[in-house]
Amino acid sequence: KAGVTQTPRYLIKTRGQQVTLSCSPISGHRSVSWYQQTPGQGLQFLFEYFSETQRNKGNFPGRFSGRQFSNSRSEMNVSTLELGDSALYLCASSLPDAEKLFFGSGTQLSVL
Amino acid sequence: DQQVKQNSPSLSVQEGRISILNCDYTNSMFDYFLWYKKYPAEGPTFLISISSIKDKNEDGRFTVFLNKSAKHLSLHIVPSQPGDSAVYFCAASRNNAGNMLTFGGGTRLMVKP
Repeated sequence: KAGVTQTPRYLIKTRGQQVTLSCSPISGHRSVSWYQQTPGQGLQFLFEYFSETQRNKGNFPGRFSGRQFSNSRSEMNVSTLELGDSALYLCASSLPDAEKLFFGSGTQLSVL
Repeated sequence: DQQVKQNSPSLSVQEGRISILNCDYTNSMFDYFLWYKKYPAEGPTFLISISSIKDKNEDGRFTVFLNKSAKHLSLHIVPSQPGDSAVYFCAASRNNAGNMLTFGGGTRLMVKP
């Protein structure tokens, strides 16, 4: 069974631009969550999608958004990028209401 | 407001000895706890978990202990191996919160041969 796939692996953007990250969950997993990891901050929850609906949202500004498609694939978008958005963005998939998450390798975003 | 804290940013142990990683939480609504292991350039991988109705869960070399009254959990690795060198995150979840996990800041474990 293929794992969680995130693309692209690395991204370099400049302030003010926007970016879209993609995540393909494990086959059969309908829940997709996104997390941001920055040095010293651990992993911060961004949002969770289940059946194309946002089920939970973390404490991030509205510049961070996401969506889920009917095949459970998910995208997250960050608009008007700021230097502080530089981070590793991790996607995780799971069965519904199963706390055990399976993570992808992440997208390393650098904002210059 | 850090609801899950790992107060030791790093830990160094000798191969074959016990590694003890600690985690404290403040939210009494948390009812499920997990440990994840992360290597550089990879996503975290699930290690072991424990429900709040238990105080111990064991899986091979890994044991997690939960002290609800102290809001404290610990991960014991025995014996420690060099391949265990990684960053370890504890995480907690609440019932009815979907798959939203609250993570600690991580502890970097170094196991010396």
